Amino acid sequence: DVKVTQSSRYLVKRTGEKVFLECVQDMDHENMFWYRQDPGLGLRLIYFSYDVKMKEKGDIPEGYSVSREKKERFSLILESASTNQTSMYLCASSLSLTDLAGGVTYEQYFGPGTRLTVT
Amino acid sequence: RKEVEQDPGPFNVPEGATVAFNCTYSNSASQSFFWYRQDCRKEPKLLMSVYSSGNEDGRFTAQLNRASQYISLLIRDSKLSDSATYLCVVTPFNTGFQKLVFGTGTRLLVSP
Repeated sequence: DVKVTQSSRYLVKRTGEKVFLECVQDMDHENMFWYRQDPGLGLRLIYFSYDVKMKEKGDIPEGYSVSREKKERFSLILESASTNQTSMYLCASSLSLTDLAGGVTYEQYFGPGTRLTVT
Repeated sequence: RKEVEQDPGPFNVPEGATVAFNCTYSNSASQSFFWYRQDCRKEPKLLMSVYSSGNEDGRFTAQLNRASQYISLLIRDSKLSDSATYLCVVTPFNTGFQKLVFGTGTRLLVSP
């Protein structure tokens, strides 16, 4: 059973603080993702990583950075938290599966989320 | 135009009813399609993949219409436990790294 864990369920930080959100998966997945989810906007991809030390920007990377030093761990960093970064942050991992036709299908497994409030 | 669009609902149905949701996508080259389910204050979980030929899993049926660029989810004999938000998810063709694009979700409320 795939398990993705996140370091905190709830976090309250002050504007300007540096914030670390940690994510760990136990299924040896190559791919890991960070999303934020906001009402009316759905899930939006911040960053993803397809291998150790590799990272790619998603749709909304501004104000965030990431780190992947080990395969099982993917960290999201808010260098200087701002109030507009108040959100639910969801981590996910996936192992790409190739279907018989040679295409690629994906299933992402999500962690429980971290609700971050920046005051 | 959003890449993936869904009616936010809520859809209010009684137990035992049949309900259907549609989702439209804008990229005609989109490759993979899914429905995820998200319970209140929980993480999304894969409900089912959507194949070109359509597929069924118990009370759930998913269909893909590439010509009209929409996917659908049909739930028969609704249960109280089906109450959740259903997220339509699409993979654009040439992203290379399994990027998923999520719709904002359709909320379903099943009442006794």
